[in-house]
Amino acid sequence: GENVEQHPSTLSVQEGDSAVIKCTYSDSASNYFPWYKQELGKGPQLIIDIRSNVGEKKDQRIAVTLNKTAKHFSLHITETQPEDSAVYFCAATSPGGSYIPTFGRGTSLIVHP
Amino acid sequence: SAVISQKPSRDICQRGTSLTIQCQVDSQVTMMFWYRQQPGQSLTLIATANQGSEATYESGFVIDKFPISRPNLTFSTLTVSNMSPEDSSIYLCSVSDGNYGYTFGSGTRLTVV
Repeated sequence: GENVEQHPSTLSVQEGDSAVIKCTYSDSASNYFPWYKQELGKGPQLIIDIRSNVGEKKDQRIAVTLNKTAKHFSLHITETQPEDSAVYFCAATSPGGSYIPTFGRGTSLIVHP
Repeated sequence: SAVISQKPSRDICQRGTSLTIQCQVDSQVTMMFWYRQQPGQSLTLIATANQGSEATYESGFVIDKFPISRPNLTFSTLTVSNMSPEDSSIYLCSVSDGNYGYTFGSGTRLTVV
């Protein structure tokens, strides 16, 4: 089955800095890669996703890049703000897995004012 | 996307007892998913609940320990049976948004003492 590795487990940045979270996956058939943000006491919320036919996608301050050859994808947050502090999960889905996501272990992002 | 109401939001339970978690969706959905999120860990799929049939459990999870009901297309329950401290986790229900992404409930934080 699919295996998703996520790094780092904790990331501490100053407000205004950029943050990058990286994930690798094992199943070359995976074709959809969502990112979820989980704030304290809440369930994960989808913030951005990318499909395998696209190399990069942006939405305001966040962007995701995908390298299918290397089987890794990354989340980039620019101009970080304290409200970006949360746990971020990457995931990979494939037709073989019935499109049920396999999640990484999460990255706790702390943005210091 | 669907709105999910999950309750209770948290509970502290005695070992050996059972807790039933409820998940209500504001629209009809074919499949509902139950996840466990242990402290500092990723989201692990427990089972997939389809209306009118038995739930499908992932490896390591069994019906006797985590019985699931799915009486209609908007509601499901997960019971954590004969609890031990190792069952202390956040339990989340989830539904597909129809485009490979998933919407999650706010979670049930369970502490077993």
